[in-house]
Amino acid sequence: TQLLEQSPQFLSIQEGENLTVYCNSSSVFSSLQWYRQEPGEGPVLLVTVVTGGEVKKLKRLTFQFGDARKDSSLHITAAQPGDTGLYLCAGAGNTGNQFYFGTGTSLTVIP
Amino acid sequence: DSGVTQTPKHLITATGQRVTLRCSPRSGDLSVYWYQQSLDQGLQFLIQYYNGEERAKGNILERFSAQQFPDLHSELNLSSLELGDSALYFCASSALGSSYNEQFFGPGTRLTVL
Repeated sequence: TQLLEQSPQFLSIQEGENLTVYCNSSSVFSSLQWYRQEPGEGPVLLVTVVTGGEVKKLKRLTFQFGDARKDSSLHITAAQPGDTGLYLCAGAGNTGNQFYFGTGTSLTVIP
Repeated sequence: DSGVTQTPKHLITATGQRVTLRCSPRSGDLSVYWYQQSLDQGLQFLIQYYNGEERAKGNILERFSAQQFPDLHSELNLSSLELGDSALYFCASSALGSSYNEQFFGPGTRLTVL
């Protein structure tokens, strides 16, 4: 069962463009994490958001947690080829011990 | 390098067989999570252990089992393997068992069932 839907599923853009990836659910999560995964490797944590409405910035990446803690977005400014990868959101259930991963967004940034 | 190690990196076996995947968490981390990643199902949570005890269970089949040993390393046992079990299996660790702790993922074990 996929509780978290990500959109778009695939995204191919030119270097320097901006983009937004969405992570949506009908469920409430106690916290939400974003990961980036490169081929043949494990996901690497980018950020954790825990408060509804929270916005976190990590250099050119901006993460937002929805007010109702059901959705999140990742915005990348001036994308670079090094941003290429699979972006995954993951929500933690109420017990905090089970993480539900989103369907993933595969991003390709063309030089 | 996340500090989480997994062995083996690749595993090729036949249907009906049994395999064991091994994971060593980051130094000091008490919690270990196992995930399965396939093309059609995405990254699925299987099971979590915290300091040797099972803490949470996800979509883990009855043919699969896991344990965490006193030295905190963990093993995932997959038996009566089927073609559909072919996937990447990831282990992750975190310092504590709550949702606010970062999970650090290992490089994964790619299992191919022929």
